[in-house]
Amino acid sequence: TQLLEQSPQFLSIQEGENLTVYCNSSSVFSSLQWYRQEPGEGPVLLVTVVTGGEVKKLKRLTFQFGDARKDSSLHITAAQPGDTGLYLCAGVGGAGSYQLTFGKGTKLSVIP
Amino acid sequence: NAGVTQTPKFRVLKTGQSMTLLCAQDMNHEYMYWYRQDPGMGLRLIHYSVGEGTTAKGEVPDGYNVSRLKKQNFLLGLESAAPSQTSVYFCASRTGLQQFFGPGTRLTVL
Repeated sequence: TQLLEQSPQFLSIQEGENLTVYCNSSSVFSSLQWYRQEPGEGPVLLVTVVTGGEVKKLKRLTFQFGDARKDSSLHITAAQPGDTGLYLCAGVGGAGSYQLTFGKGTKLSVIP
Repeated sequence: NAGVTQTPKFRVLKTGQSMTLLCAQDMNHEYMYWYRQDPGMGLRLIHYSVGEGTTAKGEVPDGYNVSRLKKQNFLLGLESAAPSQTSVYFCASRTGLQQFFGPGTRLTVL
């Protein structure tokens, strides 16, 4: 069974601060995804990283996929209250299965 | 397009009762999935389907059954609910690498 460890589990920061969330595994994934989930809603895909060493930017969010495709990070610059939510990483299985293995999530609160 | 819809949104059951959760998608996706989300556990895959008439087990299938009689619908059944099945259930459909999730069903089993 492939496992994804996410850290930290909880994060409470002031508006304007920077933060990084980590997603680590002992297994290799064909690609890795980051989702954001708000209370009472389903997760929404933010990004998919496919290539080892890949860096993708989405406005103030920067996503990185480790060279060995076992780990990833999400960095938010100048966090805003609208960034508050549960951030989930998910590893995409290989061999055509496309099954997702989710981390336990990081609950982010950005205080105005 | 409505995307992925789930009914009901909330439900309370007594131990031993049965129920069916309905997931519908209007995006013509072949792949559909049922997950459960528990506090501190992330999302775990219960069952999935790669197309009409097909189903397969995921990580935590025990106590659940599924059916995919029509491409747009994926049903999750609990034959005899147990308190351990108290959770939030999410359905998703997939195209390419992107999964689209429904809003969830919050189920409480007393």
